[in-house]
Amino acid sequence: EAQVTQNPRYLITVTGKKLTVTCSQNMNHEYMSWYRQDPGLGLRQIYYSMNVEVTDKGDVPEGYKVSRKEKRNFPLILESPSPNQTSLYFCASSLGGGGTFEQFFGPGTRLTVL
Amino acid sequence: QKEVEQDPGPLSVPEGAIVSLNCTYSNSAFQYFMWYRQYSRKGPELLMYTYSSGNKEDGRFTAQVDKSSKYISLFIRDSQPSDSATYLCAITTGNQFYFGTGTSLTVIP
Repeated sequence: EAQVTQNPRYLITVTGKKLTVTCSQNMNHEYMSWYRQDPGLGLRQIYYSMNVEVTDKGDVPEGYKVSRKEKRNFPLILESPSPNQTSLYFCASSLGGGGTFEQFFGPGTRLTVL
Repeated sequence: QKEVEQDPGPLSVPEGAIVSLNCTYSNSAFQYFMWYRQYSRKGPELLMYTYSSGNKEDGRFTAQVDKSSKYISLFIRDSQPSDSATYLCAITTGNQFYFGTGTSLTVIP
C-alpha cells in the first residue's frame, strides 16, 4: 500500500530533551516536507526537501532540523524542544517536479512538550 | 501579512445546499492553487488543483481562481454529510507551500 508513515504518533516529552520524529514514504517520491498544524494558525511548512541531500527552510524552521540521506526517509529533529513546539506535525511527500502540488500526508504526530 | 488568508468559518449547512469556500492570496508569483480536505484526526488530502484563472470542475466540486483579484474559491454542489470536514486552500510556486487556516464545514442531514 502506498503510504507515508510517521513515528511516533503521540509523544509527550520535557523541555530540552532531544527527540526525532521519523517519516518514511514508499512511493519513490522526490519531494518531502514537514508541517506543523496549530489552531488558528493552520498548516505551516517547517522544512522541505526536493531530493536526497537537498533541504530548504519553509515558513517556520526555527528550532527544527532535518536531513535527507535516503530518498524514502525525512526525519524531523528537535534538538532542544520547548513548549511552543507543542503541536500536531505532518510529514508529506509528492512526486516532485510538475507533480509537487499533490502531496500525500502521513497520519500526524501529536507532540506535547512540558 | 500572511501569504494566504481563508474565511475561518465554521460553516453549518443543510444537506443539498451549495457551499462556497474562499481564500485570498497576496503574491502574484504563486502559480498553483489547491484545495485540500482534512477529516478529523487525519492528514489533509488533495481535493482539486488548478494553475490558471477560471473554473475547474470535478463532479460536485468546482475550483475557481481569479488571478487579477488574487481570489480562490471552492464550490460544493448538493452537499452531503460525508463532505463534513475542514477545507484548506493552498498555494505554491512549486517548492514552498502556504496553506490557509482552514474552514470547518458541517453538512446536516
